[in-house]
Amino acid sequence: DTGVSQDPRHKITKRGQNVTFRCDPISEHNRLYWYRQTLGQGPEFLTYFQNEAQLEKSRLLSDRFSAERPKGSFSTLEIQRTEQGDSAMYLCASSADVTYEQYFGPGTRLTVT
Amino acid sequence: AQSVSQHNHHVILSEAASLELGCNYSYGGTVNLFWYVQYPGQHLQLLLKYFSGDPLVKGIKGFEAEFIKSKFSFNLRKPSVQWSDTAEYFCAVNAGGGGNKLTFGTGTQLKVEL
Repeated sequence: DTGVSQDPRHKITKRGQNVTFRCDPISEHNRLYWYRQTLGQGPEFLTYFQNEAQLEKSRLLSDRFSAERPKGSFSTLEIQRTEQGDSAMYLCASSADVTYEQYFGPGTRLTVT
Repeated sequence: AQSVSQHNHHVILSEAASLELGCNYSYGGTVNLFWYVQYPGQHLQLLLKYFSGDPLVKGIKGFEAEFIKSKFSFNLRKPSVQWSDTAEYFCAVNAGGGGNKLTFGTGTQLKVEL
């Protein structure tokens, strides 16, 4: 399967710990997006990369959040000093330059205790 | 800023009933419109999309949607639902002109009963 993959699928952490999630996009896609989804809500945009350049960040992305996409391939999303309010599903999506269709991965469910 | 409203949060239908899910967006410029579906235990999948041209677009599994620019709407329809259509449906919009972020509605949970 050559879809978007995310790792881990589930993460339970204690408040105050740091966590890192990984996203591997579809190989020919140069755009990569991170979203967050909480119960009863649609996904909310966090940030977006075109190749290795981070082009847009949401105000939802506080200073505790950082995302990278070295070499324009996989991406990581790190949350420092996690808080209970960070508990959510973190979704990654990718798209090609010439289309606006975003393909989503299965997500990483984060639970902060 | 763009926003999306989905009017129905929960819909319960019997098999073979017709479906219409409402979606309205708020944005003054050119938009691209999408419907995504999330089946139980699965990830978000694209159901259909509108970029330009014929405002009636057809997607997978017999779904269609109509873009009505004057009403800022993009309602999803299916003439006859099946039990396997039980899922959560999300309407989304992105501002035209670039591979930009999607803004999603809050979703509609559809349950189809046998």
